[in-house]
Amino acid sequence: NAGVMQNPRHLVRRRGQEARLRCSPMKGHSHVYWYRQLPEEGLKFMVYLQKENIIDESGMPKERFSAEFPKEGPSILRIQQVVRGDSAAYFCASSPRAAINQPQHFGDGTRLSIL
Amino acid sequence: AQSVSQHNHHVILSEAASLELGCNYSYGGTVNLFWYVQYPGQHLQLLLKYFSGDPLVKGIKGFEAEFIKSKFSFNLRKPSVQWSDTAEYFCAVNEKLTFGTGTRLTIIP
Repeated sequence: NAGVMQNPRHLVRRRGQEARLRCSPMKGHSHVYWYRQLPEEGLKFMVYLQKENIIDESGMPKERFSAEFPKEGPSILRIQQVVRGDSAAYFCASSPRAAINQPQHFGDGTRLSIL
Repeated sequence: AQSVSQHNHHVILSEAASLELGCNYSYGGTVNLFWYVQYPGQHLQLLLKYFSGDPLVKGIKGFEAEFIKSKFSFNLRKPSVQWSDTAEYFCAVNEKLTFGTGTRLTIIP
C-alpha cells in the first residue's frame, strides 16, 4: 500500500525534549500538508510544503515549531522544547499538485503525548 | 478568514434512519468543499468533494451533499444509514482544509 506513511504512530516525550514527526507522501505526490488535532477540536492547518519549499506556514506557532520537506526523504515536523499543550494528534496529507482541485490523502497520524 | 461550523457534535441514529449532518462555512471567495470520514482507528478518508458544477454531489457509500451557496451550506445526507457508518465526519473548505470540529455519528443496530 503506497499511502501516506507517518511515523511514529505514537510518541511520548518529556517537557523540554524535542519531537520529530515524519511523513512520507504517497508516491508521485510532491505537496505535503501538516494538521494538528487538539483534544475535542477539529483538525487545524499548520503548514503546506512542496519539495524544498515552505509555501504557507500561516498555521504554525511562531516559536518552537518548524517543518521541512527535503529533496530526498520524508517531510519532518519538528517541535523543540515540547510543553504539555503540544499533546495532540498530528496528521500529514499529500496531493500530487496544489490541492485546489486535488483532494488530499491523509496518513494515520502521530499521537504525541507530553509527560 | 474562512471558518467551518458543524453544529451537530454527536448524532445517534438507528439503522435504516435517514441522516443529515449540517455544515456551514464562512468564506467570501470561490469555495471548494469536502466531507471526510474517519472510521474508528483509521485515517481520514475523502467521502465527497465539490469544486464546481452540479451542486448535488454524490460520494462513496451512498452519501451525497448539496452545496447551497445562498445558505453557505454543504450538508451531508444519506437516506438509510448502516451500522458500519459509525464514524466521525468532518466538513472542510478549500486548499488548506479549514475543518469543522467534526460530528460523531453512532448507529445503533
